[in-house]
Amino acid sequence: DGGITQSPKYLFRKEGQNVTLSCEQNLNHDAMYWYRQDPGQGLRLIYYSQIVNDFQKGDIAEGYSVSREKKESFPLTVTSAQKNPTAFYLCASSGQGAREKLFFGSGTQLSVL
Amino acid sequence: QKEVEQDPGPLSVPEGAIVSLNCTYSNSAFQYFMWYRQYSRKGPELLMYTYSSGNKEDGRFTAQVDKSSKYISLFIRDSQPSDSATYLCAMKGTNAGKSTFGDGTTLTVKP
Repeated sequence: DGGITQSPKYLFRKEGQNVTLSCEQNLNHDAMYWYRQDPGQGLRLIYYSQIVNDFQKGDIAEGYSVSREKKESFPLTVTSAQKNPTAFYLCASSGQGAREKLFFGSGTQLSVL
Repeated sequence: QKEVEQDPGPLSVPEGAIVSLNCTYSNSAFQYFMWYRQYSRKGPELLMYTYSSGNKEDGRFTAQVDKSSKYISLFIRDSQPSDSATYLCAMKGTNAGKSTFGDGTTLTVKP
């Protein structure tokens, strides 16, 4: 059953703590993305990767870091430098090429304790 | 000014109504246009995908693109309570990479 798996579904962060959100896909997609969604707002791009061992900053990369060591995995770390981390985080993937469709995981809700 | 502007809503209609959801854009490089449906606290689901001006129909859904006016629409016929969700428009250019999203329109269909 192909798809994108995000875990955990809910995550709580303490002050000064780094947390990592997991994203795994078995669609054999080359490109993977992380978006942040705040209430009443659209999706804002944090980071994206079009190939293993390479990634680019999106529109709101400050306070976040990523790695892409395997094609199927693209974890996102929310660092302590991100002062307003409470949001719904969405991972997505697509094939290479502009015509490829974008598919999403089910999301992780991150909240600050 | 945002590259993609979406009618903010919220929108509330009776069951069976025709719904029109709209987005405008400023970047003439956008060539691919998508509509996603997102239920509360779930990931967006791709509903419609088009890459040319004109209409594309899929069941009760019709996507319309007018590149000359930089305007796209999604029409839902015979709306159902299960259509209640947030609808996001998205678009991208010919370079592979990121899509740009509208802020979403929340639709409620009342029985």
